[in-house]
Amino acid sequence: SQQGEEDPQALSIQEGENATMNCSYKTSINNLQWYRQNSGRGLVHLILIRSNEREKHSGRLRVTLDTSKKSSSLLITASRAADTASYFCATARFSGNTPLVFGKGTRLSVIA
Amino acid sequence: GAGVSQSPSNKVTEKGKDVELRCDPISGHTALYWYRQSLGQGLEFLIYFQGNSAPDKSGLPSDRFSAERTGGSVSTLTIQRTQQEDSAVYLCASSKTGEQPQHFGDGTRLSIL
Repeated sequence: SQQGEEDPQALSIQEGENATMNCSYKTSINNLQWYRQNSGRGLVHLILIRSNEREKHSGRLRVTLDTSKKSSSLLITASRAADTASYFCATARFSGNTPLVFGKGTRLSVIA
Repeated sequence: GAGVSQSPSNKVTEKGKDVELRCDPISGHTALYWYRQSLGQGLEFLIYFQGNSAPDKSGLPSDRFSAERTGGSVSTLTIQRTQQEDSAVYLCASSKTGEQPQHFGDGTRLSIL
């Protein structure tokens, strides 16, 4: 079953703009991860944030986590056409090896 | 390459036939996961193997679905008596012991006619 929802379902922006995607989840978690999927390909891990962290950065990516609201956001700054993809949040209830529960994703289109 | 390898990349079969999907994880990864991605349901967990432990089969949608992992490496997902609702992309992922994240293959796109 789906853990939560991402919004928006689809987002279209101009190159150079920032893109923000949100994710909500339902149960307690150990960590939350964001993955990217290009059309016809598998998922690529972008960033992981643990339940005791509030914000994390990696290059042009910034992730926030609010466990009281059971929500997370992914910000991509200075977007590029190559960022066009679907983005999924995934939650892990436990640390270590455990199946992930995915949201339905946000489809991002960056127009050059 | 060094990534997760899945085969075939595409499979078209008739309703009622059995299919086998293969996953070759990254060398040294002890955890292996199968997920299904479909338009209506998004990404769903199917089954998880960790080393020599009994697999977590809690996500398998029916008893027509089964999976094996031989020698702690290659895994095969089998779907018996396929139905049209089985049409989806089947994704395999692997990870090191005790670690996230998961590394995904490009999936097998299964189409049931």
